[in-house]
Amino acid sequence: GIQVEQSPPDLILQEGANSTLRCNFSDSVNNLQWFHQNPWGQLINLFYIPSGTKQNGRLSATTVATERYSLLYISSSQTTDSGVYFCAVASGRTDSWGKLQFGAGTQVVVTP
Amino acid sequence: DADVTQTPRNRITKTGKRIMLECSQTKGHDRMYWYRQDPGLGLRLIYYSFDVKDINKGEISDGYSVSRQAQAKFSLSLESAIPNQTALYFCATRGRVTNEQFFGPGTRLTVL
Repeated sequence: GIQVEQSPPDLILQEGANSTLRCNFSDSVNNLQWFHQNPWGQLINLFYIPSGTKQNGRLSATTVATERYSLLYISSSQTTDSGVYFCAVASGRTDSWGKLQFGAGTQVVVTP
Repeated sequence: DADVTQTPRNRITKTGKRIMLECSQTKGHDRMYWYRQDPGLGLRLIYYSFDVKDINKGEISDGYSVSRQAQAKFSLSLESAIPNQTALYFCATRGRVTNEQFFGPGTRLTVL
């Protein structure tokens, strides 16, 4: 099946700092989503971005499908940005059911 | 109101008990999924359903069963719960227009 690797595994930021999270995947995709899991365990949809660039407030994401990676940018980080960020993909070549394969996540801690 | 709801949100049960987790959605989506998350890991697929007559096993279906009672309802059952089924369980839906999946708030299950 498709492999998903996220980096870095852990990230500690001071409030106000910018950061970039990376997601590499091993095959063509027809779905790529970024999620934020808050300390209460809820998964928050950040972006649906199988290709291209999107922005939502202080967050933006870029997926370069031909090179099989996606980047999530967090600007002017706030303590509420703390949590785990997951990248999840569905293979465009081997799966028509849209089963998402999740990466292991990036644990982000934003300190005041 | 939330588009994807899960009940219960938290459950503590004992080894050997039968338990059902329920998922309902108001998004009108035909595809529904059940995922499991273990501490420190990403989500893994248990079962998925294209419609009420179509049920498919995911990568970790052993020890679980599902029922698609209606397009809007998808239930996950543990016939005889065991401690290593302690996890956070998520339901998700997907429509036909895009491949984006939408997640419920999760059910935290503890098996003693």
